[in-house]
Amino acid sequence: SQTIHQWPATLVQPVGSPLSLECTVEGTSNPNLYWYRQAAGRGLQLLFYSVGIGQISSEVPQNLSASRPQDRQFILSSKKLLLSDSGFYLCAWSFRDRGPYSNQPQHFGDGTRLSIL
Amino acid sequence: ELKVEQNPLFLSMQEGKNYTIYCNYSTTSDRLYWYRQDPGKSLESLFVLLSNGAVKQEGRLMASLDTKARLSTLHITAAVHDLSATYFCAVDISGGSNYKLTFGKGTLLTVNP
Repeated sequence: SQTIHQWPATLVQPVGSPLSLECTVEGTSNPNLYWYRQAAGRGLQLLFYSVGIGQISSEVPQNLSASRPQDRQFILSSKKLLLSDSGFYLCAWSFRDRGPYSNQPQHFGDGTRLSIL
Repeated sequence: ELKVEQNPLFLSMQEGKNYTIYCNYSTTSDRLYWYRQDPGKSLESLFVLLSNGAVKQEGRLMASLDTKARLSTLHITAAVHDLSATYFCAVDISGGSNYKLTFGKGTLLTVNP
């Protein structure tokens, strides 16, 4: 079976500091990978998604970047955090080949709660 | 731009009552997802609806999809306190292997004894 790991679970950072959040998937190959942010008030915003190593699509212009150095590793980064970067960050994965897995949803990690001071 | 609208956004129910959450979307899609989120937790997949007329049931929850009306419903039967959570619908409009979800704002359900 497949599992997704995301860390750290919580993070408190000062404004202007760098950020690195990591997500890894086990038990599958060539997954699609996603980063979402959920601000207070619940809505989920897709930040980045990736269909392969080194292939990153950005959905929202912002202070963040993403990288996929390995097939099952997805990293969210920032050089200088802003107060507005606070939120709950969720990594998700899905099967890339939709055919035999057409009834499969995106699967989410446990999330990282990021507070900027 | 795809828009996904849920209503109501807040729902307070008595235990034992029935209610329906609605999810409308603005662009043709044949896939719709329902997720549950407990406070401070991640999202848990509830249902994947793949075609017009699809109906799925799990316990006290039943989801349906009408692609012609661009409408999905999540029906709650005889609510219990354990169903208290935020429920999201999400729509997939991308084809092939490159798929992205657009989420509704969520419905915060509180079931009172």
